[in-house]
Amino acid sequence: DARVTQTPRDKVTEMGQEVTMRCQPILGHNTVFWYRQTMMQGLELLAYFRNRAPLDDSGMPKDRFSAEMPDATLATLKIQPSEPRDSAVYFCASGLTTSGDTEAFFGQGTRLTVV
Amino acid sequence: AQKVTQAQTEISVVEKEDVTLDCVYETRDTTYYLFWYKQPPSGELVFLIRRNSFDEQNEISGRYSWNFQKSTSSFNFTITASQVVDSAVYFCALSEVGGNEKLTFGTGTRLTIIP
Repeated sequence: DARVTQTPRDKVTEMGQEVTMRCQPILGHNTVFWYRQTMMQGLELLAYFRNRAPLDDSGMPKDRFSAEMPDATLATLKIQPSEPRDSAVYFCASGLTTSGDTEAFFGQGTRLTVV
Repeated sequence: AQKVTQAQTEISVVEKEDVTLDCVYETRDTTYYLFWYKQPPSGELVFLIRRNSFDEQNEISGRYSWNFQKSTSSFNFTITASQVVDSAVYFCALSEVGGNEKLTFGTGTRLTIIP
């Protein structure tokens, strides 16, 4: 049963620390998304990649957030330095894009708490 | 700009009752996709359905059915003979086709099925 795998599932860190979240997309999927879920903003897109190239990161605070795909089996989202307002659930999703259509499957999320 | 509205914040029904979750969307695109996702208490986002804007046929999958009406920009979701396991937050979402496939989510409807 193919699924998107995210690690860690939960992370508590102190303000100012670096946080790295990892995502293993479903094998063969060429599009990877990072979404953030908060009570105030709901679900919002941070960034997404196609064939490992960043396509849109307009939803991501550039000063502290960075997203990369070192290879086709790993996507990372890094926050440095972290702040309490970054506390949220971060979801990774992957999909196979054909003819401009992508059906996204989500991981279980990383719950980040910054204290 | 795209927008998805789920006016019902919370709904409670007694088990075995039918329940309909409303979704209204706004988009300037002529081609788009509509989605429903389920988020159970465990937190993951479970894909339920994707519908192309050119396909207005209603869809039925077991106890679930979806009514897509382009004339009213609505994509409503009905659960027939509800069960306690249906308790979750349900999200409606919209994406463009052929360019930016990011999902624009509604704020979700929390459905509680009372035994």
